[in-house]
Amino acid sequence: AQSVTQLDSHVSVSEGTPVLLRCNYSSSYSPSLFWYVQHPNKGLQLLLKYTSAATLVKGINGFEAEFKKSETSFHLTKPSAHMSDAAEYFCVVSGGGADGLTFGKGTHLIIQP
Amino acid sequence: GAVVSQHPSRVICKSGTSVKIECRSLDFQATTMFWYRQFPKQSLMLMATSNEGSKATYEQGVEKDKFLINHASLTLSTLTVTSAHPEDSSFYICSASLSSGGRTDTQYFGPGTRLTVL
Repeated sequence: AQSVTQLDSHVSVSEGTPVLLRCNYSSSYSPSLFWYVQHPNKGLQLLLKYTSAATLVKGINGFEAEFKKSETSFHLTKPSAHMSDAAEYFCVVSGGGADGLTFGKGTHLIIQP
Repeated sequence: GAVVSQHPSRVICKSGTSVKIECRSLDFQATTMFWYRQFPKQSLMLMATSNEGSKATYEQGVEKDKFLINHASLTLSTLTVTSAHPEDSSFYICSASLSSGGRTDTQYFGPGTRLTVL
């Protein structure tokens, strides 16, 4: 069994300040972890994924995430927020096999001008 | 690369009618396609997994006779909502994977189809 908890349903930051979106997971297997972004009326876009290689994963648009097994966390960060980053972000765990993908409930990122 | 399209983007239908949604992988062959449902302000829930040429595998609680899935080719999967009712109104999203949808596989998502049943 696997699950994902996104700790914040909404995060609001000012443009140019750092972004932190928190995600904790549980999995019976060694999981793969993903972050997807969903802009209004658009499909989900893969930001980055972790698949048991380097624990610090760099993604697109300046985002990165660090896999911390001891904390069962995979938080998403960006040093400087841009207005175009405003969207819904989903943390996803994949244990593979019958478990498939499990999505977190999403974090709505708001960027204040 | 790895673009997935869905058609239509929006559909409104009367209660009791059937609606077909297409999902296409435009620039790659998708071994596995997935169908999700997303309720407002909520996360995606996997409905079913389909492999080309074989029957779809439905998640618990999803009625396979109501949500018919056909994966006719490596680039096309269709979801038909039969005898639609207002409670079927939702955002339906498909995704495609280059391989079997295993632990490390990336799924590429379509833009979704908004279904409204009157």
